[in-house]
Amino acid sequence: NAGVTQTPKFQVLKTGQSMTLQCAQDMNHNSMYWYRQDPGMGLRLIYYSASEGTTDKGEVPNGYNVSRLNKREFSLRLESAAPSQTSVYFCASSVSQPNTQYFGPGTRLTVL
Amino acid sequence: KNEVEQSPQNLTAQEGEFITINCSYSVGISALHWLQQHPGGGIVSLFMLSSGKKKHGRLIATINIQEKHSSLHITASHPRDSAVYICAVRTPLQGAQKLVFGQGTRLTINP
Repeated sequence: NAGVTQTPKFQVLKTGQSMTLQCAQDMNHNSMYWYRQDPGMGLRLIYYSASEGTTDKGEVPNGYNVSRLNKREFSLRLESAAPSQTSVYFCASSVSQPNTQYFGPGTRLTVL
Repeated sequence: KNEVEQSPQNLTAQEGEFITINCSYSVGISALHWLQQHPGGGIVSLFMLSSGKKKHGRLIATINIQEKHSSLHITASHPRDSAVYICAVRTPLQGAQKLVFGQGTRLTINP
């Protein structure tokens, strides 16, 4: 089992460009999450999907959209990247909501 | 004030020392998690607990619900324990549950 995989590992964008971060899990988990991690701050929830077909906003959803493509895949899209979105992005999954979460390796995004 | 506060922010110790990392929270919770973030960035869940104490190898996690406080202990610390340790509490969000994370404690164990 690969667990939770994320692509790409690194990305540099210019302000205004768009991109999609991909996340997939092979553990048959129902719930998936997107977090961002910034220096000096804890991980913050951007969006989550409690189950296939549902998505909900977390603490910091502005500037992002998500798609739960199927049970395995949960993508995060930046429509018009801004320097404030420079961060490390982590995807995670869990069997269901109040359970242990398994994290992907992260994507380091820089917006110039 | 953050909903989840960890102390200390940084901790350096010698191999073999007993390590304690503290976590205090100010919100109602259904569970508390301890996670480890390796120097390479990967995050691994260590414990999920809602009462009492859990032990896994040299790691022990305790929680006092009344005092809204949890501790993570490492016995016989080793340089491979060097990592950032993150406390997170599970709390309601709009009818669902969310994790609120502390800022992390950077632990360095010197040989």
